[in-house]
Amino acid sequence: GESVGLHLPTLSVQEGDNSIINCAYSNSASDYFIWYKQESGKGPQFIIDIRSNMDKRQGQRVTVLLNKTVKHLSLQIAATQPGDSAVYFCAEAYNNNDMRFGAGTRLTVKP
Amino acid sequence: DVKVTQSSRYLVKRTGEKVFLECVQDMDHENMFWYRQDPGLGLRLIYFSYDVKMKEKGDIPEGYSVSREKKERFSLILESASTNQTSMYLCASSLQGHEAFFGQGTRLTVV
Repeated sequence: GESVGLHLPTLSVQEGDNSIINCAYSNSASDYFIWYKQESGKGPQFIIDIRSNMDKRQGQRVTVLLNKTVKHLSLQIAATQPGDSAVYFCAEAYNNNDMRFGAGTRLTVKP
Repeated sequence: DVKVTQSSRYLVKRTGEKVFLECVQDMDHENMFWYRQDPGLGLRLIYFSYDVKMKEKGDIPEGYSVSREKKERFSLILESASTNQTSMYLCASSLQGHEAFFGQGTRLTVV
């Protein structure tokens, strides 16, 4: 079946730098896309989402970009902090309920 | 605070046992999900439900069944547990078209 995947399994950045986490998806019929953050020992937590009719959405220190032409999604984190260290998952949702995840990217922030 | 509660954090079962994993949400959400999380594979969807008594297969339903008799409760059943079902199981709930909230996870070991 169609799946959501990630370009890089790990990412290491310096504290204060910007981080960019990428994701490729294959279901062009997905309604919206979501980024989750998972810290050790916890379930994933929602960060930000974007509807398929948008190409950019900004939150607090985070921006999600959607490029439907190449089926690519990215999460940008500004001024990365040690508390941002976690595994980040992108997910795509179809028909507002069927939600599938990618394999995840581990972000490590170096002091 | 919104809450998704999974009945056990850790569970050890024997091969061939019937296993019940329970999940309860207090947010009146229509959608509920069961995922399993394995290293390097991310979250894989087992089953989801968009309404009481309704269920849809995810990517890996083999060896599992689900039950949703009440809106707030979604149960995952392993009819005859096998060692390859040793994993972290995550339950989530969401309103249609909105972010999902996850439980803490159940780490199941089948021996």
